[in-house]
Amino acid sequence: KNEVEQSPQNLTAQEGEFITINCSYSVGISALHWLQQHPGGGIVSLFMLSSGKKKHGRLIATINIQEKHSSLHITASHPRDSAVYICAPKQGAQKLVFGQGTRLTINP
Amino acid sequence: DAGVIQSPRHEVTEMGQEVTLRCKPISGHNSLFWYRQTMMRGLELLIYFNNNVPIDDSGMPEDRFSAKMPNASFSTLKIQPSEPRDSAVYFCASGGGSSNQPQHFGDGTRLSIL
Repeated sequence: KNEVEQSPQNLTAQEGEFITINCSYSVGISALHWLQQHPGGGIVSLFMLSSGKKKHGRLIATINIQEKHSSLHITASHPRDSAVYICAPKQGAQKLVFGQGTRLTINP
Repeated sequence: DAGVIQSPRHEVTEMGQEVTLRCKPISGHNSLFWYRQTMMRGLELLIYFNNNVPIDDSGMPEDRFSAKMPNASFSTLKIQPSEPRDSAVYFCASGGGSSNQPQHFGDGTRLSIL
């Protein structure tokens, strides 16, 4: 069993829909990154959070440390949100472990 | 801020050749990470450094891989000899060194071993 499980693995939606990507992990963590990777592109850290909720524009990330679960939400989704989203819990001070990623496609 | 700079962006070489990937972290960051990304295995940590010292190299696949950080502004990842299964995208990232600091990723080096 993987240490980090994301769902769904693939998600296709229409522009404007509310999107939720889930992440469950089995390891103890100090924080958790949500990463975004566009096709053929680099990796950008969208959020790093260790408790509660963070919001940046149309993106919201939540984490429940006790339940070992985090979610990434996108409101009013847009085709430019199409990317792979990767959950990356941080073990200890430094080490990231990675989910397999969720491939999101937003159709106009 | 220039961000994390990796070179080359693309490398194509024949198996058996030595490959050297380079990384310049963000100035002031004291942690540096090397990752590998493949379709089959996703992202994996290979090795990371704190203050130029290797802390965890448990992800380095085998002795053909080596990484160095001779100073705070430069790191290399070497593969010698290279094999086709080493084909992947290799990312370097740097961070501020505490658990509160996010990691910043370079654009990656796409490596193809023929």
